[in-house]
Amino acid sequence: EVQLVESGGAVVQPGGSLRLSCAASGFTFEHYSMHWVRQAPGKGLEWLSVINGQGGAIKYADSAEGRFIISRDNNKDSLYLQLNSLRSDDTAFYYCTKEHRTGWPAIDHWGRGTLVTVS
Amino acid sequence: SSELTQDPAVSVALGQTVTITCQGDCLRTYSANSWYQQRPGQAPILVIYNRNERPSGIPDRFSGSGSGGTASLTITGAQAEDEADYYCNSRDSSGSRVVFGGGTQLTVL
Repeated sequence: EVQLVESGGAVVQPGGSLRLSCAASGFTFEHYSMHWVRQAPGKGLEWLSVINGQGGAIKYADSAEGRFIISRDNNKDSLYLQLNSLRSDDTAFYYCTKEHRTGWPAIDHWGRGTLVTVS
Repeated sequence: SSELTQDPAVSVALGQTVTITCQGDCLRTYSANSWYQQRPGQAPILVIYNRNERPSGIPDRFSGSGSGGTASLTITGAQAEDEADYYCNSRDSSGSRVVFGGGTQLTVL
């Protein structure tokens, strides 16, 4: 069974930084691209970033470019998102997600999310 | 504003058929869109991928279609448990990023 467990969410002051982690299990982690998606309370889904299986190809949404950094450690089956220069509008649940075998944009597994509050 | 546009809210009578649409120019180039269901307080789940394919475990009352700049999710015989928010997604116009629609809140009456 695929499991994605996020951690690292917290209350942080504007301008601060935070590192989110995602522990993956139940599949061959290095074979899949992974995405981060966020959702502000009561709002819609917003795609943030994708990293391919070997970590050599990365893309960011405009809202994440230059402030957030996605990375992965295939030896630890873990995905990360470094959040820098945080603003109040970054307050959201951050989901770690696994890409479907057919490739993006299909995302077939989601974690439960970790809440980041910028205040 | 998103590259993908969805009606904010749709309602359907129990047992009836409802179609939720997603519009965007990027869908003309990248037709392999997906649909997600999100119930309150839960993470989204994939209900349609590659425009019209259904993951295992998703009831066959869910179907996807589309042409041109429009993708559609149809629920044939809506059930009470289908009441949720539904989101479409696709590659963006550049093909290098992912975009989500704003979501449609489905109410089953």
